[in-house]
Amino acid sequence: GGIITQTPKFLIGQEGQKLTLKCQQNFNHDTMYWYRQDSGKGLRLIYYSITENDLQKGDLSEGYDASREKKSSFSLTVTSAQKNEMAVFLCASSIAGSQNTLYFGAGTRLSVL
Amino acid sequence: AQSVTQPDARVTVSEGASLQLRCKYSYSGTPYLFWYVQYQRQGLQLLLKYYSGDPVVQGVNGFEAEFSKSDSSFHLRKASVHWSDSAVYFCAASMNTGGADRLTFGKGTQLIIQP
Repeated sequence: GGIITQTPKFLIGQEGQKLTLKCQQNFNHDTMYWYRQDSGKGLRLIYYSITENDLQKGDLSEGYDASREKKSSFSLTVTSAQKNEMAVFLCASSIAGSQNTLYFGAGTRLSVL
Repeated sequence: AQSVTQPDARVTVSEGASLQLRCKYSYSGTPYLFWYVQYQRQGLQLLLKYYSGDPVVQGVNGFEAEFSKSDSSFHLRKASVHWSDSAVYFCAASMNTGGADRLTFGKGTQLIIQP
């Protein structure tokens, strides 16, 4: 078995701040994903990456950057945190192709003051 | 546009009763279909998935789902729920377009089990 580790678990930021979320997986999966989860809105795809150094925009990429420098890690940057923003960011990985099972981390909970 | 709809934001069921959580999809073909569960303060875990064949698929912990092409649905069922089934359930769909595929999630249904 494997695991996805997201750091930090909780993140409190200030309006306008640049914030970075990290994700590590030891499944040796090719594809990694970042989703944003808002209450009542389900999961929305921000970025995904099908291999090292690849980046693909999702439906919600504006306001975010991502980086996949190693196969095992995928980081997400909130370029300018919005006041009163609250959301959970979920990282996931899968064997190539989303027809396969996604394995999720426990999430990073973001609050912006 | 491709979409997944879970019409019930919240469902309350008594422990031991049967359960159905509804899911409808809107795709031009037959997508790959999934049900995921999210327990409190955790990531999502796969319950079951459907690709083709028998329209009734079995999952973990006694869950099953039935695919209906005519109804564009993939409803989740369980014969007898337990208090530990309290969670948020997400239906999801994917069209494997050979590289740019992505999973589309419904908004989720929160399941509340009453004693």
